Amino acid sequence: DTAVSQTPKYLVTQMGNDKSIKCEQNLGHDTMYWYKQDSKKFLKIMFSYNNKELIINETVPNRFSPKSPDKAHLNLHINSLELGDSAVYFCASSHSGSSYEQYFGPGTRLTVT
Amino acid sequence: SQQGEEDPQALSIQEGENATMNCSYKTSINNLQWYRQNSGRGLVHLILIRSNEREKHSGRLRVTLDTSKKSSSLLITASRAADTASYFCATEPTGNTPLVFGKGTRLSVIA
Repeated sequence: DTAVSQTPKYLVTQMGNDKSIKCEQNLGHDTMYWYKQDSKKFLKIMFSYNNKELIINETVPNRFSPKSPDKAHLNLHINSLELGDSAVYFCASSHSGSSYEQYFGPGTRLTVT
Repeated sequence: SQQGEEDPQALSIQEGENATMNCSYKTSINNLQWYRQNSGRGLVHLILIRSNEREKHSGRLRVTLDTSKKSSSLLITASRAADTASYFCATEPTGNTPLVFGKGTRLSVIA
């Protein structure tokens, strides 16, 4: 049973398009995250949601809009895709509060051409 | 802002040898965590050490934390080819801020 799942696993699209990545967790966690991992493997947090409420929004272009319909889902919508958006995007979840490990999804490799 | 810095960036060892990776960070932390990432996969949590702990063990893993030097080390003993992966340290700064990941150490274990 997959704990944190993402779809799609691969996404190839052209500049200017709009795309969405979906994430679901079945761990009963109340906090979910989106991370971006660039070609140099640097992992940077983009957003964090706790109980469907946005709690962290790092410096991310407003073309990126997260949506959390419920505690188990956190989707990422990207408008007007740019070449620099090419990366691997990871969803993760955890319990809220301090000192909890995060569980990561398998990642979505986005390639913008 | 980036906090953790792993050292070395890449490490290649023979199967059976021990592998040591280091992590340095800049600010006060609640805890420090180590994660493993196999090629093309998501990160997997390995171990968490709290700021008031100095050493922790889990199987073949040994983690140390020196808050005075703002550094941590991950030791993998008796390495196996299956340990080949990238290893990331992540710090949870004080003040309810999110985990900050380093750039990782790429470990290659040669059979």
